[in-house]
Amino acid sequence: EVQLVESGGGLVQPGRSLRLSCAASGFTFDDYAMSWVRQPPGKGLEWVSSISWSSGTIGYADSVKGRFTISRDNAMKSLFLQMNSLRAEDTALYYCGKGYIDDWYLDLWGRGTLVTVSS
Amino acid sequence: QSALTQPRSVSGSPGQSVTISCTGTSSDVGGYNYVSWYQQHPGKAPKLMIYDVTKRPSGVPDRFSGSKSGNTASLTISGLQAEDEADYYCCSYAGYYTQVFGGGTKLTVL
Repeated sequence: EVQLVESGGGLVQPGRSLRLSCAASGFTFDDYAMSWVRQPPGKGLEWVSSISWSSGTIGYADSVKGRFTISRDNAMKSLFLQMNSLRAEDTALYYCGKGYIDDWYLDLWGRGTLVTVSS
Repeated sequence: QSALTQPRSVSGSPGQSVTISCTGTSSDVGGYNYVSWYQQHPGKAPKLMIYDVTKRPSGVPDRFSGSKSGNTASLTISGLQAEDEADYYCCSYAGYYTQVFGGGTKLTVL
Protein backbone atom coordinates (compact mmCIF):
# COMPACT_ATOMS: atom_id res chain seq x y z
CA GLU A 1 0.00 0.00 0.00
CA VAL A 2 1.23 3.47 -0.88
CA GLN A 3 1.36 5.43 2.35
CA LEU A 4 3.22 7.74 4.68
CA VAL A 5 3.07 7.27 8.44
CA GLU A 6 4.30 9.99 10.78
CA SER A 7 5.39 9.38 14.35
CA GLY A 8 7.26 11.05 17.18
CA GLY A 9 4.80 13.74 18.20
CA GLY A 10 3.78 14.42 21.77
CA LEU A 11 3.73 16.93 24.61
CA VAL A 12 7.01 18.79 25.13
CA GLN A 13 8.04 21.78 27.22
CA PRO A 14 9.12 25.05 25.61
CA GLY A 15 12.81 25.07 24.79
CA ARG A 16 13.05 21.30 24.51
CA SER A 17 13.57 19.11 21.44
CA LEU A 18 11.60 16.51 19.53
CA ARG A 19 12.35 14.36 16.49
CA LEU A 20 9.60 13.45 14.06
CA SER A 21 9.79 10.51 11.67
CA CYS A 22 7.87 9.65 8.52
CA ALA A 23 7.94 6.08 7.21
CA ALA A 24 7.22 5.61 3.51
CA SER A 25 5.96 2.50 1.79
CA GLY A 26 4.58 1.43 -1.57
CA PHE A 27 6.71 3.70 -3.78
CA THR A 28 10.35 4.28 -4.66
CA PHE A 29 11.20 6.67 -1.84
CA ASP A 30 14.51 7.88 -3.21
CA ASP A 31 12.90 9.06 -6.46
CA TYR A 32 11.03 11.88 -4.76
CA ALA A 33 11.52 15.05 -2.79
CA MET A 34 9.76 15.13 0.58
CA SER A 35 8.31 17.89 2.73
CA TRP A 36 6.91 18.71 6.15
CA VAL A 37 3.78 20.85 6.44
CA ARG A 38 2.13 21.76 9.73
CA GLN A 39 -1.34 22.84 10.77
CA PRO A 40 -2.03 24.44 14.16
CA PRO A 41 -5.33 23.29 15.69
CA GLY A 42 -8.21 24.99 13.90
CA LYS A 43 -5.90 26.97 11.61
CA GLY A 44 -4.43 26.81 8.13
CA LEU A 45 -1.55 24.97 6.53
CA GLU A 46 2.03 26.20 6.89
CA TRP A 47 4.90 24.82 4.83
CA VAL A 48 7.82 23.93 7.12
CA SER A 49 10.61 22.34 5.11
CA SER A 50 11.47 20.37 1.96
CA ILE A 51 14.36 18.10 0.99
CA SER A 52 15.29 16.88 -2.48
CA TRP A 53 15.65 13.18 -3.30
CA SER A 54 19.41 13.30 -2.82
CA SER A 55 19.35 15.63 0.23
CA GLY A 56 21.32 18.04 -1.95
CA THR A 57 18.75 20.81 -1.77
CA ILE A 58 16.92 21.82 1.39
CA GLY A 59 14.61 24.70 2.24
CA TYR A 60 13.07 25.99 5.47
CA ALA A 61 10.36 28.41 6.42
CA ASP A 62 11.72 31.52 8.12
CA SER A 63 9.71 30.61 11.22
CA VAL A 64 11.78 27.44 11.80
CA LYS A 65 15.11 28.24 10.17
CA GLY A 66 17.98 27.65 12.57
CA ARG A 67 15.83 25.54 14.91
CA PHE A 68 14.54 22.69 12.74
CA THR A 69 16.59 20.28 10.60
CA ILE A 70 15.12 18.07 7.89
CA SER A 71 16.88 14.88 6.82
CA ARG A 72 16.16 11.59 5.12
CA ASP A 73 17.48 8.05 5.00
CA ASN A 74 16.71 6.60 1.59
CA ALA A 75 17.84 3.11 2.60
CA MET A 76 15.34 3.17 5.46
CA LYS A 77 12.67 4.95 3.35
CA SER A 78 12.31 7.51 6.12
CA LEU A 79 12.05 11.26 6.49
CA PHE A 80 12.93 13.10 9.69
CA LEU A 81 12.43 16.49 11.29
CA GLN A 82 14.64 17.42 14.23
CA MET A 83 12.95 20.22 16.14
CA ASN A 84 15.00 22.16 18.69
CA SER A 85 14.20 25.16 20.88
CA LEU A 86 10.51 24.48 20.57
CA ARG A 87 8.03 27.29 21.15
CA ALA A 88 4.32 27.38 21.92
CA GLU A 89 3.66 28.54 18.36
CA ASP A 90 5.15 25.30 17.02
CA THR A 91 2.11 23.46 18.37
CA ALA A 92 0.51 21.81 15.35
CA LEU A 93 -0.33 18.65 13.49
CA TYR A 94 2.76 17.86 11.43
CA TYR A 95 2.22 16.19 8.06
CA CYS A 96 4.86 14.70 5.81
CA GLY A 97 4.24 14.79 2.09
CA LYS A 98 5.68 13.21 -1.07
CA GLY A 99 6.77 15.39 -3.95
CA TYR A 100 4.95 15.24 -7.28
CA ILE A 101 6.19 16.39 -10.72
CA ASP A 102 8.15 19.26 -9.16
CA ASP A 103 9.58 18.95 -5.69
CA TRP A 104 7.12 21.35 -4.10
CA TYR A 105 3.81 19.70 -5.01
CA LEU A 106 2.60 17.06 -2.57
CA ASP A 107 0.44 14.26 -3.95
CA LEU A 108 0.64 11.90 -0.97
CA TRP A 109 0.21 12.94 2.64
CA GLY A 110 0.34 11.10 5.92
CA ARG A 111 -2.28 11.43 8.64
CA GLY A 112 -0.03 13.67 10.71
CA THR A 113 1.51 13.57 14.17
CA LEU A 114 0.49 16.11 16.82
CA VAL A 115 3.13 18.20 18.55
CA THR A 116 2.06 20.17 21.60
CA VAL A 117 4.50 22.62 23.15
CA SER A 118 3.39 23.60 26.62
CA SER A 119 4.70 23.84 30.14
CA GLN B 1 7.52 34.46 3.50
CA SER B 2 4.18 36.12 4.18
CA ALA B 3 1.10 33.96 3.73
CA LEU B 4 -0.80 34.37 0.49
CA THR B 5 -4.15 36.16 0.81
CA GLN B 6 -7.36 34.20 0.28
CA PRO B 7 -10.97 35.08 1.15
CA ARG B 8 -11.95 33.42 4.39
CA SER B 9 -15.12 31.98 2.95
CA VAL B 10 -17.09 31.57 -0.26
CA SER B 11 -20.38 29.86 -0.97
CA GLY B 12 -22.49 28.66 -3.84
CA SER B 13 -25.49 26.51 -4.65
CA PRO B 14 -25.25 23.08 -6.27
CA GLY B 15 -24.60 23.39 -9.98
CA GLN B 16 -23.23 26.91 -9.73
CA SER B 17 -19.62 28.04 -10.14
CA VAL B 18 -17.39 29.65 -7.54
CA THR B 19 -13.97 31.23 -7.80
CA ILE B 20 -11.43 31.47 -5.00
CA SER B 21 -8.69 34.05 -5.33
CA CYS B 22 -5.15 33.86 -4.01
CA THR B 23 -3.05 37.02 -3.95
CA GLY B 24 0.67 37.09 -3.43
CA THR B 25 3.57 39.15 -4.66
CA SER B 26 6.09 39.18 -7.48
CA SER B 27 8.31 37.05 -5.23
CA ASP B 28 5.91 34.14 -5.20
CA VAL B 29 2.67 33.92 -7.24
CA GLY B 30 3.71 36.55 -9.74
CA GLY B 31 7.25 35.31 -10.12
CA TYR B 32 6.69 31.64 -10.90
CA ASN B 33 4.15 29.43 -12.64
CA TYR B 34 4.29 27.06 -9.69
CA VAL B 35 0.93 27.61 -8.03
CA SER B 36 -0.99 24.71 -6.57
CA TRP B 37 -4.33 24.22 -4.84
CA TYR B 38 -5.23 21.75 -2.11
CA GLN B 39 -8.62 20.59 -0.87
CA GLN B 40 -8.98 19.57 2.77
CA HIS B 41 -12.06 17.99 4.29
CA PRO B 42 -12.47 18.18 8.09
CA GLY B 43 -10.18 15.78 9.89
CA LYS B 44 -8.50 14.68 6.67
CA ALA B 45 -5.13 15.30 5.03
CA PRO B 46 -4.99 17.80 2.18
CA LYS B 47 -5.43 16.61 -1.41
CA LEU B 48 -3.63 18.11 -4.42
CA MET B 49 -6.21 19.47 -6.88
CA ILE B 50 -4.22 21.78 -9.18
CA TYR B 51 -0.51 22.21 -9.90
CA ASP B 52 1.54 24.34 -12.29
CA VAL B 53 -1.30 26.93 -12.09
CA THR B 54 -3.64 25.05 -14.43
CA LYS B 55 -2.89 21.31 -14.42
CA ARG B 56 -4.95 18.61 -12.74
CA PRO B 57 -3.50 15.41 -11.28
CA SER B 58 -5.06 12.21 -12.51
CA GLY B 59 -8.44 11.61 -10.89
CA VAL B 60 -9.31 15.25 -10.19
CA PRO B 61 -12.55 16.19 -11.98
CA ASP B 62 -12.32 18.74 -14.77
CA ARG B 63 -14.85 20.84 -12.83
CA PHE B 64 -11.76 22.16 -11.07
CA SER B 65 -9.66 24.66 -12.99
CA GLY B 66 -6.90 27.10 -12.19
CA SER B 67 -5.61 30.34 -13.64
CA LYS B 68 -3.28 33.20 -12.85
CA SER B 69 -2.99 36.86 -13.68
CA GLY B 70 -0.11 38.86 -12.30
CA ASN B 71 0.21 38.28 -8.59
CA THR B 72 -3.22 36.65 -8.24
CA ALA B 73 -4.10 33.03 -8.86
CA SER B 74 -7.62 31.65 -8.93
CA LEU B 75 -9.35 28.33 -8.48
CA THR B 76 -12.72 27.90 -10.17
CA ILE B 77 -15.08 25.08 -9.33
CA SER B 78 -17.92 24.67 -11.77
CA GLY B 79 -21.01 22.51 -11.36
CA LEU B 80 -20.72 22.65 -7.57
CA GLN B 81 -21.46 19.41 -5.74
CA ALA B 82 -22.11 18.78 -2.07
CA GLU B 83 -18.81 16.90 -1.74
CA ASP B 84 -16.89 20.01 -2.83
CA GLU B 85 -17.63 21.58 0.55
CA ALA B 86 -14.19 21.80 2.15
CA ASP B 87 -11.30 24.13 2.91
CA TYR B 88 -9.14 25.15 -0.04
CA TYR B 89 -5.55 26.32 0.17
CA CYS B 90 -3.39 27.86 -2.51
CA CYS B 91 0.35 27.42 -2.42
CA SER B 92 3.15 29.01 -4.40
CA TYR B 93 6.84 28.36 -4.89
CA ALA B 94 8.72 31.36 -3.48
CA GLY B 95 12.28 30.77 -4.61
CA TYR B 96 15.31 29.18 -2.94
CA TYR B 97 13.43 25.90 -2.48
CA THR B 98 10.73 27.48 -0.33
CA GLN B 99 6.99 27.73 -0.69
CA VAL B 100 4.15 29.56 0.98
CA PHE B 101 0.51 28.67 1.58
CA GLY B 102 -2.51 30.88 1.60
CA GLY B 103 -4.60 31.29 4.73
CA GLY B 104 -7.31 29.00 3.40
CA THR B 105 -10.88 29.47 2.17
CA LYS B 106 -13.90 27.64 3.50
CA LEU B 107 -16.27 26.67 0.70
CA THR B 108 -19.88 26.17 1.71
CA VAL B 109 -22.29 24.48 -0.69
CA LEU B 110 -25.70 25.92 0.13
